[in-house]
Parts: sequence; structure tokens; C-alpha cells
Amino acid sequence: DAGVTQSPTHLIKTRGQQVTLRCSPKSGHDTVSWYQQALGQGPQFIFQYYEEEERQRGNFPDRFSGHQFPNYSSELNVNALLLGDSALYLCASSLTRLASQETQYFGPGTRLLVL
Amino acid sequence: GDSVTQMEGPVTLSEEACLTINCTYTATGYPSLFWYVQYPGEGLQLLLKATKADDKGSNKGFEATYRKETTSFHLEKGSVQVSDSAVYFCALSDGGSNYKLTFGKGTLLTVNP
Repeated sequence: DAGVTQSPTHLIKTRGQQVTLRCSPKSGHDTVSWYQQALGQGPQFIFQYYEEEERQRGNFPDRFSGHQFPNYSSELNVNALLLGDSALYLCASSLTRLASQETQYFGPGTRLLVL
Repeated sequence: GDSVTQMEGPVTLSEEACLTINCTYTATGYPSLFWYVQYPGEGLQLLLKATKADDKGSNKGFEATYRKETTSFHLEKGSVQVSDSAVYFCALSDGGSNYKLTFGKGTLLTVNP
């Protein structure tokens, strides 16, 4: 049973550029969440996608956007990169049953460095 | 808003010592509580969880009990191993329409032989 996969594993960009990160959820999961983990900190919630729509969003600017595809995979896009966007970006998948959500399972992350 | 407070690290123990990592939380509803572990260079792995008051989560010798009266979910292990060296995160997910996980800052545990 494949777990959550993310690509690429590492990425180096320069300020002002745009980046797209990708996530494939665990088999059977329909919900994808994205988190940003700065060095030495806990993950911070960016947003969650369910049924191809953004269901909830954290305190991140509009430069951060996402998409979910019919196969439940997801992309995170960040425009106009800033040095402060350097972080580990984690994708988590889960299954939404009725009105509740089950445990989130995390991928290995994409480490983004902005120079 | 929701928040999680963990004891500051780093924590350094000798093999076979007892471990306690304190975690307290603030939430508006009836949250589910989690401990995640992050090994060097890896993503987060779910260690254990509890979904209601007085539930005890356990896995790999680790335990934590959901204490609503003290809003706590302390992580414990009776005898740590070198392989337990990692960063441990306490997190909550508030029920209802709040689907996100709110994490503490993490506690680095180093176990020496």
C-alpha cells in the first residue's frame, strides 16, 4: 500500500520565481492538506482540498494557491517567492467520512530553498 | 484560537531512562489529540492518537492519556532506546468544521547509549 508521495524532494529557486509542488495521497484517501514547516518549528497549516475545492485555509497570503485533481492528487503553487518561503513543505492525506475527517498521514516533504 | 504548548527541548536521556514530554492545549470544541514523530530528514509519522477524554493512545511503548480537566496529553515511555531519538510533535484537530492540525513547536529527544 503506497503511502503519501511528494515531488520533488528538494528544490532551489530564486526570489520572485514561482514554484509548483506535487502530492499523491495514500491509496483510498480523498482529502489533501498542505503544511509549511520552517526550520526548528512545527508545521503550519496552509490549506486543505476536498472534492477539488479548497475547504479550509490557514493564515497564508494569496501567493499560495493549490489545486486538487479528480484522482485526488494535489499541487501547491507559490508565486513571487520570498526568502522566508524557504521551508519543508509537507503534504498530508486523509479520508473524509460524512462530516468528520480521519487521521492525516504525511509524506516525506519537499525542501524548498529560496536564494 | 486553537494552540498547543509543548515542553521546551532539547531533551537528552540515557538508554532505558523514562521519558515524559509535556503537552497542553487550548481549543474551543472537543479536539482529537495526536503525537507525531519526525526522524532526521524525514516527514511526520503518526505515533498515537486519542479522540475523546480519558482515552489512552499507545504505540511502540509510548503512551498518552487525553486529560480534559487539565487540557493535557503528555507523552510517556518507560524505557527509551537510541532509536527513539527524533523530534516529537503534539497536535490537535478540532472537530466540526475545523479540519486542520495545529502543532506544537516540537521537542527534540536525543537518547545516548
